[in-house]
Amino acid sequence: GDSVTQMEGPVTLSEEAFLTINCTYTATGYPSLFWYVQYPGEGLQLLLKATKADDKGSNKGFEATYRKETTSFHLEKGSVQVSDSAVYFCALHQSSTLTFGKGTMLLVSP
Amino acid sequence: GAGVSQSPSNKVTEKGKDVELRCDPISGHTALYWYRQSLGQGLEFLIYFQGNSAPDKSGLPSDRFSAERTGGSVSTLTIQRTQQEDSAVYLCASSFDRINTEAFFGQGTRLTVV
Repeated sequence: GDSVTQMEGPVTLSEEAFLTINCTYTATGYPSLFWYVQYPGEGLQLLLKATKADDKGSNKGFEATYRKETTSFHLEKGSVQVSDSAVYFCALHQSSTLTFGKGTMLLVSP
Repeated sequence: GAGVSQSPSNKVTEKGKDVELRCDPISGHTALYWYRQSLGQGLEFLIYFQGNSAPDKSGLPSDRFSAERTGGSVSTLTIQRTQQEDSAVYLCASSFDRINTEAFFGQGTRLTVV
């Protein structure tokens, strides 16, 4: 079946550092790919998405590119802020299947 | 409503009691999902609805768990004879259809079984 693997956390960075959170997927068809974010005490919300190969999703300074050849959708940000501290979930959606990775906690210190 | 609404937001119940968790999806969304999030764990898929039917119940952990959806809208997740391992945050999400679209999540119901 479909699956999503993302790097384990926590990822601990200083403010203004570069962020990469790796995500790879296994799917039989052509899924859409998503990054969701869960801030402390809040529900999950969509951060960005990409619906086909080579698409780049971006939002709030975060970016991720749908790489079909490497089945990856790595999340990047050039300069993180303390307010980016949260849990980040990579997900794929194909037909009726909405599959999530285990989540990666990001902690950003001043 | 403007977003996915779940109730109650918190529920404390005694072991062995039954509980009902409610999800009110975004109006017009045909797909509805239930997930469970335990402390330090990812999202565990429970069940998916398309309209009122549940084509995928594969994630329900035991026959103590059941769910229904009526009128293509509100869904109820019922847990019978609750156990301590059922303690978790239960999340509901809805999407416009089942084809590769964004899912919108509710705030969740935090269930504690004592």
